[in-house]
Amino acid sequence: DAKTTQPPSMDCAEGRAANLPCNHSTISGNEYVYWYRQIHSQGPQYIIHGLKNNETNEMASLIITEDRKSSTLILPHATLRDTAVYYCIVRVGAGNQGGKLIFGQGTELSVKP
Amino acid sequence: NAGVTQTPKFRVLKTGQSMTLLCAQDMNHEYMYWYRQDPGMGLRLIHYSVGEGTTAKGEVPDGYNVSRLKKQNFLLGLESAAPSQTSVYFCASNRGGINEQFFGPGTRLTVL
Repeated sequence: DAKTTQPPSMDCAEGRAANLPCNHSTISGNEYVYWYRQIHSQGPQYIIHGLKNNETNEMASLIITEDRKSSTLILPHATLRDTAVYYCIVRVGAGNQGGKLIFGQGTELSVKP
Repeated sequence: NAGVTQTPKFRVLKTGQSMTLLCAQDMNHEYMYWYRQDPGMGLRLIHYSVGEGTTAKGEVPDGYNVSRLKKQNFLLGLESAAPSQTSVYFCASNRGGINEQFFGPGTRLTVL
């Protein structure tokens, strides 16, 4: 699975959009981009995933560049409850050894009032 | 639905003691996983299972054993605990493929 690079920390003002970048320059054509977050040592929580098209759900939007070498997770209106560590993970989809996830160190997002 | 539950929530062991961590899921998921998380680090995969009666090694399997006798349960065993196994242990499950993993609340283990 391809490695990812994320900034170690970011700040965001409450109510503003939080844009979290992720570089995955060695991503393969069949690898998906996943985002999870972990709030204060709780179990990680799935946010969103995508292959090459941009994706949106009730939590966030995922923007993947055309060459797929990087992506951005967007939280449109960050709240204090969005303060967490955000993990960007790339992995092959169906059939890859049980779909295991390889976590990096993530980005610690602090949402400030 | 309870989702993914883990037992116990906390445990303190002495070096050399053994214990079993229990993970249970009520979502009829085929795939289950055990991860550990050390301070300031991301999660690392210990073992996983792609179905009842199957297990496979992850990134850091040494010192651990697992069993999946029932589809809904995945057990993680430490036969002879070591201080290096002090960590927070997370269990997860999913339907497999590209589907998201659902995580339990974690077990905080300290080995003295």
